[in-house]
Amino acid sequence: QVQLQESGPGLVKPSETLSLKCSVSGGSISRDYWSWIRQPPGKGLEWIGYIYYSGSTNYNPSLKSRVTISVDTSKNQFSLKLSSVTAADTAVYSCARFYYYGSGVSSWIDPWGQGTLVTVSS
Amino acid sequence: QSVLTEPPSVSAAPGQKVTISCSGSSSNIGNNYVSWYQDLPGTAPTLLIYDNNKRPSGIPDRFSGSKSGTSATLDITGLQTGDEADYYCGTWDSSLSAYVFGTGTKVTVL
Repeated sequence: QVQLQESGPGLVKPSETLSLKCSVSGGSISRDYWSWIRQPPGKGLEWIGYIYYSGSTNYNPSLKSRVTISVDTSKNQFSLKLSSVTAADTAVYSCARFYYYGSGVSSWIDPWGQGTLVTVSS
Repeated sequence: QSVLTEPPSVSAAPGQKVTISCSGSSSNIGNNYVSWYQDLPGTAPTLLIYDNNKRPSGIPDRFSGSKSGTSATLDITGLQTGDEADYYCGTWDSSLSAYVFGTGTKVTVL
């Protein structure tokens, strides 16, 4: 059974770049799509984007100018970078497997990692 | 701002039924399948329903989903105290070319 675990700094300064890694175990990353999702404290879920194991990506338009998702198949990991962060980027960041068929006609997220809280503060 | 609208909260007594609605448009629910997620405090969200009405293995049949036009519904029957959580709908938005979530509904067991 696939399991995902996020890792990275829990505190990032404003204007700097948030960097997180997601380690995938129990299965190969060299198939399927993989996503990042975030949830600000007390607020709802926001999809950040996906990456296919081949490296193709798709980002949420609201974050597209600041987001980069990459994959390292040799380490069975994928990563998130979010630049020029502000306090509004404080959230629990989760990685997950993303099922995506028919250009989105059928899509869902499962399983999710536990998530990691990233706080943006000086 | 989410493009999918859910009621902020619903509640019912143990053993009863609750229904959560998710309203969208032709660019999302109207032409794509819907999924539902349970978000318990301190745990990773769990997939409850995918492709409008399919349950992953391990999800009890107390949870069921349906879709009509640009709206979708999640029903929870035989409500249990352990069902107290936030519930989110989700689907692909073809205009945004992005996956979108609903605003979320808090279920309270009275």
